[in-house]
Amino acid sequence: SYELTQAPSVSVSPGQTASISCSGDKLEKKYVSWYQQKPGQSPLLVLFQDKKRPSGIPERFSGSNSGNTATLTIGGAQAIDEADYYCQVWGSSTADFGGGTKLTVL
Amino acid sequence: QVLLQESGPGLVKPSQTLSLSCTVSGDSINNENYYWSWIRQPAGKGLEWIGRIYTSGTTNYIPSLKSRVTISLDTSKNQFSLTLNSVTAADTALYFCARMDYYHYHMDVWGKGTTVTVSS
Repeated sequence: SYELTQAPSVSVSPGQTASISCSGDKLEKKYVSWYQQKPGQSPLLVLFQDKKRPSGIPERFSGSNSGNTATLTIGGAQAIDEADYYCQVWGSSTADFGGGTKLTVL
Repeated sequence: QVLLQESGPGLVKPSQTLSLSCTVSGDSINNENYYWSWIRQPAGKGLEWIGRIYTSGTTNYIPSLKSRVTISLDTSKNQFSLTLNSVTAADTALYFCARMDYYHYHMDVWGKGTTVTVSS
C-alpha cells in the first residue's frame, strides 16, 4: 500500500484561507483526490486529478500537488466547510486514503 | 442522477459471513468508464478501501483482506456485492459502496452507507 500522511486537525477563522496537506513519497507523480465528510454523511468528492472540481463544488476549493505534498486549499472558509477531509491516491493496485484532517472553522 | 444504495444485514455473528449488496440506479455496472468499489469506516476512524470490480469481472482487493473478501457483479439486478468471510469485531464498521473512475481512480458517487456490527 501507499502511505499518505495528514495532520489530524486544522483550524481556521471564518473568511480566512484553510490549507490541508497530504504527504507521500513522490506524491507529485500520482493524481490526488480529496473528499469532504460531514458527520453522519458519506464522503463527497471535492477535488480530483489534484485540482479539478466536480460539478457543484464551489470555486473556493482548489488544489495543488508538488514534490511530496498535495494541498487542498479552501479560500474564504465558511462554517459549512467544517468537516473531515481525506486525500486519496491509487497506489500499487489499491486505493489508499490518508488518515483524514478535521477542519474546524471558528 | 446516479445513485448507489447499500443493503444487507446490520448484525453478523463472529466467524460468520458478511454479505452486502449495492444497487446502482442511473448508470449501468457495465459502464466501461467505471469500477465499482467498497469502502468501510469504523466508528470514529478513517476510510479504508476494501476493493473494486470492473464490468469484465476483474477485481482488486486490499492485501489485508484479500483472503476473506469477494466482490461480485449481478448484471441482471444492476448490483454489485461484497462478501467477507470469518468476520470478527474488527470488521464492525460503516460500509460504503462507490463508483470509481476507470482512468483516474477517484470515487465520484457514494452510497449513504450501511452499518454492520459483528457481535454474538
